[in-house]
Amino acid sequence: EAGVAQSPRYKIIEKRQSVAFWCNPISGHATLYWYQQILGQGPKLLIQFQNNGVVDDSQLPKDRFSAERLKGVDSTLKIQPAKLEDSAVYLCASSRRQSAGNTIYFGEGSWLTVV
Amino acid sequence: AQTVTQSQPEMSVQEAETVTLSCTYDTSENNYYLFWYKQPPSRQMILVIRQEAYKQQNATENRFSVNFQKAAKSFSLKISDSQLGDTAMYFCAFMGRNTDKLIFGTGTRLQVFP
Repeated sequence: EAGVAQSPRYKIIEKRQSVAFWCNPISGHATLYWYQQILGQGPKLLIQFQNNGVVDDSQLPKDRFSAERLKGVDSTLKIQPAKLEDSAVYLCASSRRQSAGNTIYFGEGSWLTVV
Repeated sequence: AQTVTQSQPEMSVQEAETVTLSCTYDTSENNYYLFWYKQPPSRQMILVIRQEAYKQQNATENRFSVNFQKAAKSFSLKISDSQLGDTAMYFCAFMGRNTDKLIFGTGTRLQVFP
């Protein structure tokens, strides 16, 4: 079974530019998450989807971050315009269904450096 | 709000020895889930072990086991017979009974020496 796929793996942009990250969850997984992991910290949830609907985006900086999950499969996370403090690893994760205790599987992450 | 605390930023252990990583958490819930994830340099978070709070028996997965002390809100990870491939960041994480979101600690960097 293929894992969670993310691209690009690495991206360097200048501040005020835009960037987009793509995620393909494990086949059949209805729930998709985007986490932000700043160096030296644990991951923090940005947004959670159940199928193609948003369940929780309370921690998403909506003035610059947006995310969508069309057709309930792939997802894209966009940052525009980027700030220096957005430098982080963006981890996509998925689980089979929205249920407490579910195992959440993570991708390898997309590393963003804003200069 | 729930919080997860990992008080050991770095740990080291010699190959084949045993090491214990500490984790404490704060919650007012009675039923919840606790996890340990491993993050190697590749950055992929890999599930190591999972504990359900309503189960008194400590979870084990091969060389990995936990010491779950519910009253003390403590959830430590013991790695036996440490291997070089165990070198990684280890994150403790909490999931409430009525949610499917993980709350992570700040991590412990483990270095296994030959």
